Amino acid sequence: GENVEQHPSTLSVQEGDSAVIKCTYSDSASNYFPWYKQELGKRPQLIIDIRSNVGEKKDQRIAVTLNKTAKHFSLHITETQPEDSAVYFCAARYSGGGADGLTFGKGTHLIIQP
Amino acid sequence: NAGVTQTPKFRVLKTGQSMTLLCAQDMNHEYMYWYRQDPGMGLRLIHYSVGEGTTAKGEVPDGYNVSRLKKQNFLLGLESAAPSQTSVYFCASSYSIGGAPEQFFGPGTRLTVL
Repeated sequence: GENVEQHPSTLSVQEGDSAVIKCTYSDSASNYFPWYKQELGKRPQLIIDIRSNVGEKKDQRIAVTLNKTAKHFSLHITETQPEDSAVYFCAARYSGGGADGLTFGKGTHLIIQP
Repeated sequence: NAGVTQTPKFRVLKTGQSMTLLCAQDMNHEYMYWYRQDPGMGLRLIHYSVGEGTTAKGEVPDGYNVSRLKKQNFLLGLESAAPSQTSVYFCASSYSIGGAPEQFFGPGTRLTVL
């Protein structure tokens, strides 16, 4: 099965600065890598995703990069704002051996300091 | 569209009791999933379904059973609840794996087993 490691577990940045969260995965057959944002007491919400045939994807202040050779992907948030404070989860989708589904990292608590 | 809904929102059980969690989606999605979320552990896949009448085990299936009798509903059952099953349970659905793999999550069910 797939294994996803996520770092750091907590990240504190000044408002306006950039934040970077990194994940590694173990199964080279994984082909879909979403990032979810979860606010306290709420459901996870997809903020950006990338497929294995793409190296980078950007959506306004959020970007994701994927390095298939090294099996790692990263979330970049620029010009951070107070509303960016939340827990962020990376995930990798594996499909093989009759199995399917997303494997999640353990999450990064992003704190935006005013 | 209501999207993905879950019933109930909260529940307290005593050890050994049984219960069923209901997930419903109105997006005509083929794939449905049950995850559990524990502090510091991220989300872990319990069971999933790739279509009406089909179910499969995920990463942590022990102690749970599921059924997908109708395309729009996915039920998660606990036959004999244990304190280790205290968690927040999220249901998710997606249209397909290849074309549109994005998973949409329900609001969650907070379950406490005493």
